[in-house]
Amino acid sequence: GAGVSQSPSNKVTEKGKDVELRCDPISGHTALYWYRQSLGQGLEFLIYFQGNSAPDKSGLPSDRFSAERTGGSVSTLTIQRTQQEDSAVYLCASSFVLMRAGYNEQFFGPGTRLTVL
Amino acid sequence: AQSVTQPDIHITVSEGASLELRCNYSYGATPYLFWYVQSPGQGLQLLLKYFSGDTLVQGIKGFEAEFKRSQSSFNLRKPSVHWSDAAEYFCAVGRAYNQGGKLIFGQGTELSVKP
Repeated sequence: GAGVSQSPSNKVTEKGKDVELRCDPISGHTALYWYRQSLGQGLEFLIYFQGNSAPDKSGLPSDRFSAERTGGSVSTLTIQRTQQEDSAVYLCASSFVLMRAGYNEQFFGPGTRLTVL
Repeated sequence: AQSVTQPDIHITVSEGASLELRCNYSYGATPYLFWYVQSPGQGLQLLLKYFSGDTLVQGIKGFEAEFKRSQSSFNLRKPSVHWSDAAEYFCAVGRAYNQGGKLIFGQGTELSVKP
């Protein structure tokens, strides 16, 4: 079946502009995660959605970052007033949460490479 | 706080030689442990995982890893490296889903394979 898809694959923007990154999780997966991969910080958790629960936003680096998940499926990560330090690869992952399992494997998309000039 | 340490930033091995990538973790409960591989321009691919049970786990592409609770380690091994194994490898610990389920990654180890 189809894996996690992300769009665009590459995005170049100017400092101060807003950007939207999209993630389509695997069908039926209830949990969705955003991570950021940058040279200085490695792989960092950003935000987590699970079903209808309030998202865990504890990894968002500033209030310029926000995300939503519509209809329990597609998610959009928005970065407002982009800064050069926002340049990174943004990875999305999804998983199917089993009520009895302590953990569930996450499947990753190919990522969106964001470059802020 | 949970953390993952990969002491080796870059490793070079000869094709056909054995490989061991080190990973140490800090976690207060039973860890869920993973190794991912990332080829240039690609996303993360799961190599193997440890949730419980047998401490020696087998993964894809001939990789295996051993969980050693006493050493807080989860080292990745392969008996004979192929040129196609050149990539970046990430060790990660996962929090239980009722704690958010997020993955905490090490800094990664870049593997180069020389002919």
